[in-house]
Amino acid sequence: QQPVQSPQAVILREGEDAVINCSSSKALYSVHWYRQKHGEAPIFLMILLKGGEQKGHDKISASFNEKKQQSSLYLTASQLSYSGTYFCGTVDRGSTLGRLYFGRGTQLTVWP
Amino acid sequence: DAGITQSPRHKVTETGTPVTLRCHQTENHRYMYWYRQDPGHGLRLIHYSYGVKDTDKGEVSDGYSVSRSKTEDFLLTLESATSSQTSVYFCAISANDRNTGELFFGEGSRLTVL
Repeated sequence: QQPVQSPQAVILREGEDAVINCSSSKALYSVHWYRQKHGEAPIFLMILLKGGEQKGHDKISASFNEKKQQSSLYLTASQLSYSGTYFCGTVDRGSTLGRLYFGRGTQLTVWP
Repeated sequence: DAGITQSPRHKVTETGTPVTLRCHQTENHRYMYWYRQDPGHGLRLIHYSYGVKDTDKGEVSDGYSVSRSKTEDFLLTLESATSSQTSVYFCAISANDRNTGELFFGEGSRLTVL
């Protein structure tokens, strides 16, 4: 039930792009994305509810491929403030709503 | 500010003792969650609640129980703490009274079981 995230870690220079992937073995109802700084609580980034949906703000965007049961988070022109651990969370289609499961996280480090 | 607070924020206890963590919200939201976070495992769902006295298990519920006697409070109890339950525990609420809404997390409760 826990989605699988890849890669586990990414190291970037400021201004570079990154993609974080999230996949599930089950059909998905929704995908959430969160970022967590060290020692802090996770902070919401976005939710995708429909297959094919894409969302974004600033230079962070995400897509949801319902057929492939996958979502990807795109970080464009990375800034130092993007450093942190990114988690995807999924709600399985057909399961009791409320069960939101998170992946193990992707640690993103942006260097100047 | 999502109006969610956890207590205690830090606790050290001994194996075999009972422990209760409290999550309090001021927003009157229906859905509340307890997760534990351990290195390499991400956030794992322990239990969640979809209303007063309505709770359900998550993926790592063994050794934990919960109660929700009023909307604003969601309690997590470790009946007999073990060292494997040493972790950081996060409470979360779902915005807009829907489980598909964004989650707001509390600041976390760090529990050490000796």
